Amino acid sequence: AQSVTQLDSQVPVFEEAPVELRCNYSSSVSVYLFWYVQYPNQGLQLLLKYLSGSTLVKGINGFEAEFNKSQTSFHLRKPSVHISDTAEYFCAVSDQNNQGGKLIFGQGTELSVKP
Amino acid sequence: NAGVTQTPKFQVLKTGQSMTLQCAQDMNHNSMYWYRQDPGMGLRLIYYSASEGTTDKGEVPNGYNVSRLNKREFSLRLESAAPSQTSVYFCASSEYTSGVGDTQYFGPGTRLTVL
Repeated sequence: AQSVTQLDSQVPVFEEAPVELRCNYSSSVSVYLFWYVQYPNQGLQLLLKYLSGSTLVKGINGFEAEFNKSQTSFHLRKPSVHISDTAEYFCAVSDQNNQGGKLIFGQGTELSVKP
Repeated sequence: NAGVTQTPKFQVLKTGQSMTLQCAQDMNHNSMYWYRQDPGMGLRLIYYSASEGTTDKGEVPNGYNVSRLNKREFSLRLESAAPSQTSVYFCASSEYTSGVGDTQYFGPGTRLTVL
């Protein structure tokens, strides 16, 4: 069975510092990996996704993530964060066996950017 | 182009009452989903519909029913609400029937409290 683990529930960081949000997954087949962001009192929106090809994926708002098959990880990074990046971030996985494109979500990581 | 809309935004119920959460999308998407979000647990899939006229159970279907009324609308019904169903409910849609690797677009959520 698939599962997703986000290793940090909360990440506080100062403005303009780099940040890494960690995500590990388990699956027995080829996977598709996603990062979604949820701003306060809003729905989720897609930051980026990995389907195939280059293991370094670039997304919106300067975020990027690297797919590492051997370590079963898909960590999210940004070299310099802004106050406006304060939000909850969710890693999610799907695979070719998931009828209807069902996503399995991690528990979420709360990113708090301080001035 | 409103995307995914949900009504109501907030609802308070007493134990045993029933209600229907409404969801509509105007993107001509084939697949639609209902999730619940609880603190520290990420999002969990309740039901999904891969195409008009079909519905399938997700990870946590007990206590819920769904109807895919037409291609645009997907409703979630609580027949006899319980305090354990206090949660934030999100509807989402994606373009393709298979959904594998597809981006899901989320509504703003319904915050439900069951007393």
